[in-house]
Amino acid sequence: LAKTTQPISMDSYEGQEVNITCSHNNIATNDYITWYQQFPSQGPRFIIQGYKTKVTNEVASLFIPADRKSSTLSLPRVSLSDTAVYYCLVGDGGGKLIFGQGTELSVKP
Amino acid sequence: DSGVTQTPKHLITATGQRVTLRCSPRSGDLSVYWYQQSLDQGLQFLIQYYNGEERAKGNILERFSAQQFPDLHSELNLSSLELGDSALYFCASSVDPRGAGELFFGEGSRLTVL
Repeated sequence: LAKTTQPISMDSYEGQEVNITCSHNNIATNDYITWYQQFPSQGPRFIIQGYKTKVTNEVASLFIPADRKSSTLSLPRVSLSDTAVYYCLVGDGGGKLIFGQGTELSVKP
Repeated sequence: DSGVTQTPKHLITATGQRVTLRCSPRSGDLSVYWYQQSLDQGLQFLIQYYNGEERAKGNILERFSAQQFPDLHSELNLSSLELGDSALYFCASSVDPRGAGELFFGEGSRLTVL
Protein backbone atom coordinates (compact mmCIF):
# COMPACT_ATOMS: atom_id res chain seq x y z
CA LEU A 1 0.00 0.00 0.00
CA ALA A 2 1.50 3.28 -1.12
CA LYS A 3 1.90 5.61 1.83
CA THR A 4 2.74 9.28 1.50
CA THR A 5 4.47 11.58 3.94
CA GLN A 6 4.33 15.36 3.81
CA PRO A 7 5.29 18.14 6.24
CA ILE A 8 2.36 19.01 8.48
CA SER A 9 2.70 22.75 7.98
CA MET A 10 4.72 25.42 6.24
CA ASP A 11 4.87 29.20 6.48
CA SER A 12 5.74 31.59 3.70
CA TYR A 13 5.44 35.23 2.70
CA GLU A 14 3.75 36.75 -0.27
CA GLY A 15 5.86 36.71 -3.41
CA GLN A 16 8.06 33.83 -2.31
CA GLU A 17 8.41 30.46 -4.00
CA VAL A 18 7.13 27.54 -1.93
CA ASN A 19 8.28 23.96 -2.34
CA ILE A 20 6.37 21.13 -0.69
CA THR A 21 7.86 17.65 -0.82
CA CYS A 22 5.95 14.38 -0.58
CA SER A 23 7.60 11.02 0.06
CA HIS A 24 6.03 7.92 -1.49
CA ASN A 25 8.54 5.09 -1.16
CA ASN A 26 6.18 2.33 -2.26
CA ILE A 27 4.79 3.96 -5.37
CA ALA A 28 3.79 1.43 -8.00
CA THR A 29 5.16 1.42 -11.52
CA ASN A 30 1.93 2.59 -13.10
CA ASP A 31 0.93 5.13 -10.49
CA TYR A 32 0.65 8.83 -11.17
CA ILE A 33 1.41 11.53 -8.63
CA THR A 34 -1.18 14.25 -8.24
CA TRP A 35 -1.40 17.32 -6.05
CA TYR A 36 -4.58 18.91 -4.80
CA GLN A 37 -5.42 22.12 -2.96
CA GLN A 38 -8.17 22.30 -0.38
CA PHE A 39 -9.77 25.30 1.29
CA PRO A 40 -11.81 24.83 4.50
CA SER A 41 -15.14 23.08 3.97
CA GLN A 42 -14.56 22.77 0.23
CA GLY A 43 -13.72 19.83 -1.96
CA PRO A 44 -10.10 19.45 -3.07
CA ARG A 45 -9.10 21.02 -6.37
CA PHE A 46 -6.63 19.57 -8.84
CA ILE A 47 -3.34 21.43 -9.16
CA ILE A 48 -1.00 19.27 -11.21
CA GLN A 49 -0.19 15.67 -12.10
CA GLY A 50 2.94 13.92 -13.25
CA TYR A 51 4.52 10.54 -13.78
CA LYS A 52 8.21 11.36 -13.98
CA THR A 53 10.62 14.26 -14.51
CA LYS A 54 9.11 17.73 -14.52
CA VAL A 55 5.65 19.03 -15.31
CA THR A 56 4.65 22.67 -15.38
CA ASN A 57 1.30 24.36 -15.81
CA GLU A 58 0.02 27.86 -15.29
CA VAL A 59 -0.08 27.61 -11.51
CA ALA A 60 2.64 25.19 -10.40
CA SER A 61 5.51 22.89 -11.25
CA LEU A 62 5.97 19.30 -10.20
CA PHE A 63 9.42 17.75 -9.90
CA ILE A 64 9.76 13.97 -9.77
CA PRO A 65 13.20 12.35 -9.48
CA ALA A 66 14.12 9.28 -11.47
CA ASP A 67 13.39 6.84 -8.63
CA ARG A 68 9.91 8.41 -8.19
CA LYS A 69 10.05 7.91 -4.43
CA SER A 70 9.30 11.53 -3.81
CA SER A 71 7.85 14.55 -5.56
CA THR A 72 8.03 18.28 -5.00
CA LEU A 73 5.26 20.75 -5.69
CA SER A 74 6.58 24.21 -6.46
CA LEU A 75 4.32 27.24 -6.17
CA PRO A 76 5.94 30.35 -7.64
CA ARG A 77 5.30 33.75 -6.03
CA VAL A 78 2.58 32.73 -3.60
CA SER A 79 -0.16 35.12 -2.52
CA LEU A 80 -2.44 35.24 0.51
CA SER A 81 -5.06 33.31 -1.44
CA ASP A 82 -2.70 30.34 -1.68
CA THR A 83 -3.20 29.71 2.05
CA ALA A 84 -4.71 26.23 2.03
CA VAL A 85 -3.98 22.58 2.63
CA TYR A 86 -2.02 20.82 -0.11
CA TYR A 87 -2.35 17.10 -0.60
CA CYS A 88 -0.15 14.65 -2.45
CA LEU A 89 -2.07 11.75 -3.97
CA VAL A 90 -0.72 8.51 -5.39
CA GLY A 91 -2.46 5.38 -6.49
CA ASP A 92 -1.43 2.19 -4.74
CA GLY A 93 -1.58 0.09 -7.88
CA GLY A 94 -4.88 -1.46 -6.86
CA GLY A 95 -7.11 1.48 -7.62
CA LYS A 96 -7.04 3.05 -4.16
CA LEU A 97 -6.11 6.70 -4.44
CA ILE A 98 -4.53 7.49 -1.08
CA PHE A 99 -4.09 11.06 0.08
CA GLY A 100 -1.26 12.09 2.35
CA GLN A 101 -2.03 13.87 5.61
CA GLY A 102 -1.69 17.20 3.84
CA THR A 103 0.51 20.24 4.30
CA GLU A 104 -1.10 23.34 5.74
CA LEU A 105 0.46 26.30 3.97
CA SER A 106 0.14 29.68 5.60
CA VAL A 107 1.08 32.69 3.47
CA LYS A 108 1.69 35.90 5.37
CA PRO A 109 1.77 39.47 4.05
CA ASP B 1 -18.24 24.26 -10.28
CA SER B 2 -16.66 20.82 -10.62
CA GLY B 3 -19.73 19.25 -12.19
CA VAL B 4 -20.06 16.76 -9.33
CA THR B 5 -23.23 17.16 -7.30
CA GLN B 6 -23.66 15.91 -3.78
CA THR B 7 -26.81 15.90 -1.72
CA PRO B 8 -27.68 16.72 0.94
CA LYS B 9 -25.17 19.45 1.75
CA HIS B 10 -25.91 19.23 5.45
CA LEU B 11 -27.46 16.49 7.51
CA ILE B 12 -28.06 16.26 11.25
CA THR B 13 -29.20 13.00 12.76
CA ALA B 14 -29.02 10.95 15.93
CA THR B 15 -26.90 8.01 16.94
CA GLY B 16 -28.22 4.69 15.73
CA GLN B 17 -29.89 6.17 12.69
CA ARG B 18 -29.24 5.50 9.01
CA VAL B 19 -28.58 8.04 6.26
CA THR B 20 -27.98 7.98 2.54
CA LEU B 21 -25.65 10.38 0.76
CA ARG B 22 -26.02 10.84 -2.95
CA CYS B 23 -23.50 11.74 -5.63
CA SER B 24 -23.98 12.56 -9.28
CA PRO B 25 -20.68 12.44 -11.15
CA ARG B 26 -19.60 14.68 -13.99
CA SER B 27 -21.18 13.85 -17.29
CA GLY B 28 -19.14 11.12 -18.94
CA ASP B 29 -17.19 10.09 -15.85
CA LEU B 30 -17.55 6.38 -15.11
CA SER B 31 -15.55 6.28 -11.89
CA VAL B 32 -16.82 7.46 -8.52
CA TYR B 33 -14.83 7.70 -5.30
CA TRP B 34 -16.00 8.31 -1.75
CA TYR B 35 -13.82 9.96 0.90
CA GLN B 36 -14.41 10.78 4.55
CA GLN B 37 -12.87 13.84 6.19
CA SER B 38 -13.31 14.20 9.93
CA LEU B 39 -12.69 17.50 11.68
CA ASP B 40 -9.12 18.66 11.10
CA GLN B 41 -8.25 15.32 9.54
CA GLY B 42 -7.07 14.29 6.14
CA LEU B 43 -9.07 12.58 3.43
CA GLN B 44 -9.70 8.91 4.11
CA PHE B 45 -10.44 6.79 1.06
CA LEU B 46 -13.58 4.71 1.51
CA ILE B 47 -14.48 3.06 -1.77
CA GLN B 48 -14.35 3.37 -5.56
CA TYR B 49 -16.81 2.28 -8.22
CA TYR B 50 -16.24 2.08 -11.93
CA ASN B 51 -19.15 1.72 -14.31
CA GLY B 52 -21.34 0.14 -11.68
CA GLU B 53 -18.79 -2.25 -10.24
CA GLU B 54 -16.81 -1.93 -7.03
CA ARG B 55 -13.18 -1.43 -8.01
CA ALA B 56 -11.30 -0.63 -4.84
CA LYS B 57 -12.06 -0.62 -1.16
CA GLY B 58 -10.39 1.39 1.54
CA ASN B 59 -11.05 1.77 5.23
CA ILE B 60 -14.81 1.54 4.93
CA LEU B 61 -16.63 0.31 8.00
CA GLU B 62 -18.98 -2.63 7.75
CA ARG B 63 -21.80 -0.30 8.83
CA PHE B 64 -21.22 1.64 5.62
CA SER B 65 -22.12 0.49 2.14
CA ALA B 66 -22.19 2.02 -1.28
CA GLN B 67 -23.32 1.34 -4.78
CA GLN B 68 -23.23 2.86 -8.23
CA PHE B 69 -26.38 2.72 -10.29
CA PRO B 70 -26.80 2.22 -14.07
CA ASP B 71 -27.16 5.97 -14.55
CA LEU B 72 -23.74 6.24 -12.80
CA HIS B 73 -24.92 8.13 -9.75
CA SER B 74 -23.70 6.68 -6.48
CA GLU B 75 -25.07 6.41 -2.98
CA LEU B 76 -23.22 5.95 0.29
CA ASN B 77 -25.30 4.40 3.03
CA LEU B 78 -24.25 4.90 6.63
CA SER B 79 -26.08 2.89 9.29
CA SER B 80 -26.04 2.49 13.07
CA LEU B 81 -24.49 5.91 13.19
CA GLU B 82 -22.06 6.81 15.94
CA LEU B 83 -20.79 10.18 17.10
CA GLY B 84 -17.48 9.48 15.42
CA ASP B 85 -19.15 9.25 12.02
CA SER B 86 -19.63 13.01 12.05
CA ALA B 87 -17.57 14.22 9.13
CA LEU B 88 -17.53 15.72 5.66
CA TYR B 89 -18.14 13.07 3.05
CA PHE B 90 -16.77 13.85 -0.37
CA CYS B 91 -17.57 12.24 -3.64
CA ALA B 92 -15.23 12.56 -6.61
CA SER B 93 -15.46 11.38 -10.17
CA SER B 94 -12.98 10.76 -12.94
CA VAL B 95 -12.76 9.33 -16.41
CA ASP B 96 -9.78 7.09 -15.71
CA PRO B 97 -10.20 4.56 -12.87
CA ARG B 98 -6.46 4.25 -12.30
CA GLY B 99 -5.93 7.78 -11.09
CA ALA B 100 -4.46 9.16 -14.27
CA GLY B 101 -6.07 12.49 -14.85
CA GLU B 102 -8.01 14.71 -12.53
CA LEU B 103 -10.39 13.77 -9.76
CA PHE B 104 -13.31 16.19 -9.67
CA PHE B 105 -14.66 16.63 -6.17
CA GLY B 106 -18.10 17.69 -5.08
CA GLU B 107 -18.63 20.19 -2.30
CA GLY B 108 -19.29 17.45 0.21
CA SER B 109 -22.07 16.37 2.52
CA ARG B 110 -21.56 17.43 6.10
CA LEU B 111 -22.95 14.83 8.48
CA THR B 112 -23.47 15.65 12.13
CA VAL B 113 -24.42 12.83 14.47
CA LEU B 114 -25.81 13.94 17.82
